[in-house]
Amino acid sequence: AQSVTQLDSHVSVSEGTPVLLRCNYSSSYSPSLFWYVQHPNKGLQLLLKYTSAATLVKGINGFEAEFKKSETSFHLTKPSAHMSDAAEYFCVVSEGSSYKLIFGSGTRLLVRP
Amino acid sequence: DARVTQTPRHKVTEMGQEVTMRCQPILGHNTVFWYRQTMMQGLELLAYFRNRAPLDDSGMPKDRFSAEMPDATLATLKIQPSEPRDSAVYFCASGLPGQGESYEQYFGPGTRLTVT
Repeated sequence: AQSVTQLDSHVSVSEGTPVLLRCNYSSSYSPSLFWYVQHPNKGLQLLLKYTSAATLVKGINGFEAEFKKSETSFHLTKPSAHMSDAAEYFCVVSEGSSYKLIFGSGTRLLVRP
Repeated sequence: DARVTQTPRHKVTEMGQEVTMRCQPILGHNTVFWYRQTMMQGLELLAYFRNRAPLDDSGMPKDRFSAEMPDATLATLKIQPSEPRDSAVYFCASGLPGQGESYEQYFGPGTRLTVT
């Protein structure tokens, strides 16, 4: 069975400092992995996806994530946080090309001026 | 740019009333999903349509919820009768799965439902 664990419910960083949002997954098959972002009162927007190609995935707005099979991790990073990055971030897994997305519980990112 | 649209954005209704939420998927997408988001349960898949046919509605309470796609440009989620525990944000998403590719889903802005 698939599952996703987001290790931090809240992360607070200062503007201009690096961002690290942690995600571990469990999957019986080759997983597809995604990060989605949700700004307040908005829908979810796809940041990036991993689908068994390059293990380092670059997404929008300067975010990237690295797939580490040995650690079953897919952490999201950004070198320098911007105030507009404040939002909730969801790590998501699906098995291969399955339509079923399994969402993590979310990490709320706060960016301090 | 192409987006999933949902109406209404907000709905307040009394217990027992019928609620209908509408979704317009991105033109050309052949899959539609309905999700519910609550603080307690997070995001839950309610229903999945492909080429307008319901393929999975196992996440949907069958006694009061129904989902349909009258045509390729409209999906509806109906609750009758509504109950306070149905209060949540309901998201519609659409996608166009490629062969052997991951399944990207594009989400609408959601309908925030409050049942009093």
